[in-house]
Amino acid sequence: AQSVTQPDIHITVSEGASLELRCNYSYGATPYLFWYVQSPGQGLQLLLKYFSGDTLVQGIKGFEAEFKRSQSSFNLRKPSVHWSDAAEYFCAVNYGGSQGNLIFGKGTKLSVKP
Amino acid sequence: EAGVTQFPSHSVIEKGQTVTLRCDPISGHDNLYWYRRVMGKEIKFLLHFVKESKQDESGMPNNRFLAERTGGTYSTLKVQPAELEDSGVYFCASRVTGSRNTEAFFGQGTRLTVV
Repeated sequence: AQSVTQPDIHITVSEGASLELRCNYSYGATPYLFWYVQSPGQGLQLLLKYFSGDTLVQGIKGFEAEFKRSQSSFNLRKPSVHWSDAAEYFCAVNYGGSQGNLIFGKGTKLSVKP
Repeated sequence: EAGVTQFPSHSVIEKGQTVTLRCDPISGHDNLYWYRRVMGKEIKFLLHFVKESKQDESGMPNNRFLAERTGGTYSTLKVQPAELEDSGVYFCASRVTGSRNTEAFFGQGTRLTVV
């Protein structure tokens, strides 16, 4: 079955430190990849997406992600974390079979230390 | 422009009762999706409407769940009768019609607690 794996349930980083959140997806011919963020009390907000082309994708709030087909990965990165980045982050994939429904990972909760 | 709106934001009901969740998509978005996140698990797809038609309901857990989208505007998801395992956060998302790379916009979710 198609799946998305986020191996880290909870990560704590210091403010100003760099961040990398891992995401691996099960093999698919042409996956469309997404990262969403959910802040407390808010809905899911799209950070960035990858469909084709340049494998390094820039998103909002200073985030970027790199698609590596050979590793079936789409890791999210930020060079310097801000306290407001504390939230839960979800990686998702759309294989296109159902016109847009997404398969999500379990999420990674990010805590930021002052 | 208003985003995807869900009502209520929280609902606590007793086992055996009925609950109806509502989703108002972004105006003009023909595609509407329901997802659910059970505690500690991943967000899972429930079903997909295109206008008023159910395009894919493969994720609906059982026949206690009934989704409707009369007139192709807002949608309701009814759980009758509710069971303890139905507790979780129910998300709605909408998307314009077009290629599958168009963005889905999510609501803030409805947290359902069945006691």
